[in-house]
Amino acid sequence: GAVVSQHPSRVICKSGTSVKIECRSLDFQATTMFWYRQFPKQSLMLMATSNEGSKATYEQGVEKDKFLINHASLTLSTLTVTSAHPEDSSFYICSARDVTGGSHEQYFGPGTRLTVT
Amino acid sequence: AQSVTQLGSHVSVSEGALVLLRCNYSSSVPPYLFWYVQYPNQGLQLLLKYTSAATLVKGINGFEAEFKKSETSFHLTKPSAHMSDAAEYFCAVTASGYSTLTFGKGTMLLVSP
Repeated sequence: GAVVSQHPSRVICKSGTSVKIECRSLDFQATTMFWYRQFPKQSLMLMATSNEGSKATYEQGVEKDKFLINHASLTLSTLTVTSAHPEDSSFYICSARDVTGGSHEQYFGPGTRLTVT
Repeated sequence: AQSVTQLGSHVSVSEGALVLLRCNYSSSVPPYLFWYVQYPNQGLQLLLKYTSAATLVKGINGFEAEFKKSETSFHLTKPSAHMSDAAEYFCAVTASGYSTLTFGKGTMLLVSP
């Protein structure tokens, strides 16, 4: 099946710094990718929808200036957490939609654990 | 708009026992329904999906789910639990292949020897 990778898997950064997380679709092209945030023992919360070549669509309550999303190619989307604070510590998961064959199935990356100290 | 309710944040079963994880949905249009499994510190893996074809859907690892429109349910079952089934399970709904997924709060499945 289709594979989505995320890098890094874990990152620890100091408060006030920025962190970039990459999401790649390895064997298919993804015009749409999604970024989720998951707090411990909770469900996934959709943060934004990333469309290749256009601006991301953010969910209500998500700060677009804090969580910068760039979908520069059909296989890569990046999430940059700017001026990170401890409350941004979370598990970030991306997914990519595969539209080949009409499946529209979303494939999820393994997640990135962000810890802000 | 769509929503998903998963009854029971934790379900405990013995190895070899029947697994039943409950999911009820709300959707203003015919839904697409999914079950995902998440192991600790990992992403989500698709177990099975319903996309308006057969109402009984078979997935990986021996899991299956039945879409019941009259009950707005999509419960996940497995006849015999394995220790390796212990994980978090999420039910999700979407209105179409182009829509975003809405997840339930998840059910942690605990399997005891």
